This record gives sequence, C-alpha cells and structure tokens, in this order.
Amino acid sequence: DAGVIQSPRHEVTEMGQEVTLRCKPISGHDYLFWYRQTMMRGLELLIYFNNNVPIDDSGMPEDRFSAKMPNASFSTLKIQPSEPRDSAVYFCASSARQGRTGNTIYFGEGSWLTVV
Amino acid sequence: AQSVAQPEDQVNVAEGNPLTVKCTYSVSGNPYLFWYVQYPNRGLQFLLKYITGDNLVKGSYGFEAEFNKSQTSFHLKKPSALVSDSALYFCALAPGRVGEKLTFGTGTRLTIIP
Repeated sequence: DAGVIQSPRHEVTEMGQEVTLRCKPISGHDYLFWYRQTMMRGLELLIYFNNNVPIDDSGMPEDRFSAKMPNASFSTLKIQPSEPRDSAVYFCASSARQGRTGNTIYFGEGSWLTVV
Repeated sequence: AQSVAQPEDQVNVAEGNPLTVKCTYSVSGNPYLFWYVQYPNRGLQFLLKYITGDNLVKGSYGFEAEFNKSQTSFHLKKPSALVSDSALYFCALAPGRVGEKLTFGTGTRLTIIP
C-alpha cells in the first residue's frame, strides 16, 4: 500500500494568504485525522472524520481553519487567512475499524508549513 | 478525561545496552495503547500496540512494550540499543473504541551513544 499521501510536503507562504493542504488516506480506511505538531504544543488533534463525515472538530483552533472530506480518498485542510503562528507540521492520518490493521492509525509524512 | 504522560523528555543510552522509554496513562475503562517513532523531518511510524491479551507486546525493529494495568504503565523496551534507534518516541492512548481520538504524550527523545 502507498500509505497516507500528503501534499505539499513543504510550503512557505506570506501572512494573509490562503493555504490548502491535501491528503489521500490509505485505501479502505474509514477514519481520517488531521494533527498539528509544534515545539510548544506537541501533537494536537485538529479534526477527524468517519466515513467522510466530520465527527469532532473541537481541536480546530479558530474559524480561519476548515477541513473537508468530499469523498473517501481525499481530504483538505484550509487556512484562510494564514498567520505566522500557524507555522507547524500538519499531519494527516487514517485508520480502519476492521481488518488486519484495525485500530492502528497510520500517518503521512506531513506538510511543513511556514508563514512569513 | 484521558491522558498520557512521558516523564522523561530525554533518554541517553549507550549502544548495546538495554533501553526503556517510560509511559503512564489515565483513562476510564480499558485502554488501547500505542508507541510511535518519529525520525527527523519524517512522519510518525507505528511501532506496536496493546489492545487486549498478552501484556507483553512485540513490535517493529526489535522493540517491545509491557502493559501493566496496576501501575497504569506501558513502557517501551529493547534489549540492545542501536545508534539508529535515536529518534523521538511517542506513547499514545485511545479509549476502548476503535480508531478514535488518539491522545499523544509529549514525546521522549532517545539518543543512543556509540
């Protein structure tokens, strides 16, 4: 399996610009997660989906952040407008309820965002 | 509320010696416990998990972890450390439901000294 695929791997953008991060989960996985990692706050769960439906978005920091999952193989995390404090590594992850790898969350390589 | 604690920010071990990375947890009900490793500029890689059954869990790269319910601990161990084991290690906890809300510890940086 190709694993969780994220794009872009690196993004540098100016404050105020819109940023869109993309994720393709592992085929057959029915859960998708967006995490953010910073030195100060560690790993934070932003939002997660089950069968393309957002289940818990309580970790989304503010209205500038939004996430969508239009189908089982694609999700986006959007920041508009971006601010320097949004600089972080954003991880997408997926898991399956059933099957050989059930219960295990697999992570992508991350999108490294710098807002200047 | 559930929580995970990794009491050591940094652990240094000489190459060839056994290593232990500590993790304790707090949750109501039965926990699902995980260990992940993160190498520089990479994502998190799954090492092993405890769901139920045998308290000693074996995982990737020769790592193992022991679930201790009375001490609410899930320490990661390896009998003989390699320099390539140097990385950031995360313990994580999910409530006794599949695939939901993995809560991570703050991470322990393991350095293996040649």
